Amino acid sequence: EVQLVESGGGLVQPGRSLKLSCAASGFTFSNYYMAWVRQAPKKGLEWVATISTSGSRTYYPDSVKGRFTISRDNAKSSLYLQMNSLKSEDTATYYCARHPHNYGGYPHYYFDYWGQGVMVTVSS
Amino acid sequence: EIVLTQSPTTIAASPGEKVTITCRASSSVSYMYWYQQKSGASPKLWIYDTSKLASGVPNRFSGSGSGTSYSLTINTMETEDAATYYCQQWSSTPLTFGSGTKLEIK
Repeated sequence: EVQLVESGGGLVQPGRSLKLSCAASGFTFSNYYMAWVRQAPKKGLEWVATISTSGSRTYYPDSVKGRFTISRDNAKSSLYLQMNSLKSEDTATYYCARHPHNYGGYPHYYFDYWGQGVMVTVSS
Repeated sequence: EIVLTQSPTTIAASPGEKVTITCRASSSVSYMYWYQQKSGASPKLWIYDTSKLASGVPNRFSGSGSGTSYSLTINTMETEDAATYYCQQWSSTPLTFGSGTKLEIK
């Protein structure tokens, strides 16, 4: 059974940093692109970051580019999100999610499994 | 950026009723993806590649569309279908989601 378990959320002041973690199990983590998606309170879903299987390629929307860094440790089956210069608008539940791939290993950029989410609140 | 506009924003349906949710893209996309999210829970993949049901999704659900217009249809509404549904595209970056359609039981 695929499991994604996020941790590291909490209350942080504007301008400070926070690092989220996601522990993956139930599948060969190193074979999959992974992502973070967030959801502000009572709002919709927003893609935050994607990382390739090796970690050599990363992708971000403009809203977090330069402030957030996605990384992974395949030996530990873990995904991370380093969030710097946090703003109040970064307040959200952050989900770790998996991108599926086709039989040739080419990633498909939708999300077939999601974690339970971790709350990040940016406030003074 | 491709903007996905879902309609309606909220809809109430009676058990047994047919329900259709629409997702319109600001530019043509190759496929559409749908997620179901129940209150307090994480999203679940519901429909992929426009019309394929994810594992465990009842066959009263269907997806269709092409180009800039896509839809999710429930043939006969059941109480367990009450949730918020989001569409998503990955034809171009950034990956974007629709703003969601909240489906309630009447």
